[in-house]
Amino acid sequence: GAVVSQHPSRVICKSGTSVKIECRSLDFQATTMFWYRQFPKQSLMLMATSNEGSKATYEQGVEKDKFLINHASLTLSTLTVTSAHPEDSSFYICSARQGRAYNSPLHFGNGTRLTVT
Amino acid sequence: AQSVTQPDIHITVSEGASLELRCNYSYGATPYLFWYVQSPGQGLQLLLKYFSGDTLVQGIKGFEAEFKRSQSSFNLRKPSVHWSDAAEYFCAVGSNDYKLSFGAGTTVTVRA
Repeated sequence: GAVVSQHPSRVICKSGTSVKIECRSLDFQATTMFWYRQFPKQSLMLMATSNEGSKATYEQGVEKDKFLINHASLTLSTLTVTSAHPEDSSFYICSARQGRAYNSPLHFGNGTRLTVT
Repeated sequence: AQSVTQPDIHITVSEGASLELRCNYSYGATPYLFWYVQSPGQGLQLLLKYFSGDTLVQGIKGFEAEFKRSQSSFNLRKPSVHWSDAAEYFCAVGSNDYKLSFGAGTTVTVRA
């Protein structure tokens, strides 16, 4: 079945550095990819929507210069957390839409646990 | 604006007993409704979804959900719970743009 691979699954970085998270659709072309953030014991909050070849659309309150999203191909979207700080520590999850039909499947990655020290 | 309310933060159920998780949504048009399950440190697995048609939706792992427009609800049910059903359950609402709003989640604990 369709799989979304998210890498790395876990990353620890020092404050001030940047971290890149990859989201790949392994056996389908993802027309749209979504990035979510999940705080401990809380729900998922949509950060941004990315379409291949165009700029990402960010949700209100999400700093686009802080969370850089690139959707270079139909199978890859990346989220870069720039100048990370401890408050950026969170669980980041991507999802990918398979197709454009009204009922096209939506697949989630397994998430990336980011810890900023 | 769309939103989802899951009134129950935590539910404990005995193995073999039935389970019902509540979900109420707010959405201006015909919603797309989803139930996902998440194990600790993992991503989301889709249990079932409703876009249109039959309001009783069958999903994986023996789960079903019923869309009730008059009550703005999409409650999830399972007749007989297994220990492996212990997890976090999320209800989500969206539209054909697939921008989903998630509820706060319900933690299900299964006791032997």
